[in-house]
Amino acid sequence: QVQLQESGPGLVKPSGTLSLTCAVSGGSISSTNWWSWVRQPPGKGLEWIGEIYHSGITNYNPSLKSRVTISVDTSKNQFSLKLDSVTAADTAVYYCARDRETVSYFDYWGQGTLVTVSS
Amino acid sequence: DIQMTQSPSTLSASVGDRVTITCRASQSISIWLAWYQQKPGRAPKLLIYKASSLESGVPSRFSGSGSGTEFTLTISSLQPDDFATYYCQQYNSYSRTFGQGTKVEIK
Repeated sequence: QVQLQESGPGLVKPSGTLSLTCAVSGGSISSTNWWSWVRQPPGKGLEWIGEIYHSGITNYNPSLKSRVTISVDTSKNQFSLKLDSVTAADTAVYYCARDRETVSYFDYWGQGTLVTVSS
Repeated sequence: DIQMTQSPSTLSASVGDRVTITCRASQSISIWLAWYQQKPGRAPKLLIYKASSLESGVPSRFSGSGSGTEFTLTISSLQPDDFATYYCQQYNSYSRTFGQGTKVEIK
């Protein structure tokens, strides 16, 4: 059973950088799956942020592309998210998730972590 | 980006009711659509993929249909555990997008 666990600061200052890590257990991040980040502002819907393959290939949501970097560390079986120049609009629960196939849906999710952007 | 629009936004129903949620895409997405259930404070749970394929372990009262731009999620007999918010998600393009959600409430 694949499990994903997000970790990182719960509070980030405006104009700062949001940094999160997703640890994968019960499976290898070097499998044929892609690995994604999805966020959900409080009381709102879901937004896909981007994804990465174990080789380092990435795809990003065009609306966030200029501020997002997703990276992978296969030795630690984890992948990470960095979001630059954050504002209050970036306050959300951030989920990491596994893509079942290339460009597909998400079959395993982390529990989510709330990141608040505030001074 | 492909826009996904769900209707209704909120649905009030009773245990045992047949419930249908609609999801429309701004352009054809063939059958590349998934449905999720989300409960408060929890991550989304995959229910349906490829428009009508039931995820392993999901009760058979859930079913999906549609292709092109119009899709439906049906719960044949609503159970107490089904009161939640449901989201559709397209994966026709790499830039995945979700519907805004449909909250199923107790009538």
